[in-house]
Amino acid sequence: EPEVTQTPSHQVTQMGQEVILRCVPISNHLYFYWYRQILGQKVEFLVSFYNNEISEKSEIFDDQFSVERPDGSNFTLKIRSTKLEDSAMYFCASSDLGVQYFGPGTRLTVT
Amino acid sequence: GNSVTQMEGPVTLSEEAFLTINCTYTATGYPSLFWYVQYPGEGLQLLLKATKADDKGSNKGFEATYRKETTSFHLEKGSVQVSDSAVYFCALSHTGTASKLTFGTGTRLQVTL
Repeated sequence: EPEVTQTPSHQVTQMGQEVILRCVPISNHLYFYWYRQILGQKVEFLVSFYNNEISEKSEIFDDQFSVERPDGSNFTLKIRSTKLEDSAMYFCASSDLGVQYFGPGTRLTVT
Repeated sequence: GNSVTQMEGPVTLSEEAFLTINCTYTATGYPSLFWYVQYPGEGLQLLLKATKADDKGSNKGFEATYRKETTSFHLEKGSVQVSDSAVYFCALSHTGTASKLTFGTGTRLQVTL
């Protein structure tokens, strides 16, 4: 069964550093998303992406964040200058026909 | 704006007990409703969904009915197993394939022998 994959599973970085989180969506899906889950809190929407552009973004998704689909298979989330409060689990999802399928997540720890 | 409210956890049950996890929502229009499950150390998996009023979603013995009159989508299972121990998230999205999911806070279920 096709699945969404994410790399790395765990990323540790120092405050102020740039990080890139990578996702490979399900191959025939056209809609892509990033969500995050701060430890013990709810899953929060960050951004949705379709046809090589952002469809919607939340207040969290400020100028420090960007997304890209650099080729036909990868979907990336970049955080330019990480802050302590960016520490969270980041989930990628892709969808067809309204059901979103999630990857296993990348745990980002900012020290 | 849209919001989802779930009952506070953790919920602790003995194996074979009946499970209910309450979920209510606030949304404009007619959203689609979902239950996702997160097993320890894993990502979110779709458990079941319902796209219109009175629809019942079901999977793996779990059920939930879309109740427009009470804006609810309570999750039920007749007989839980230890392997059902996980965090359960209620969520909604509006019609439209790029629509974001709005999640509840999640309810942790612990099933003991």
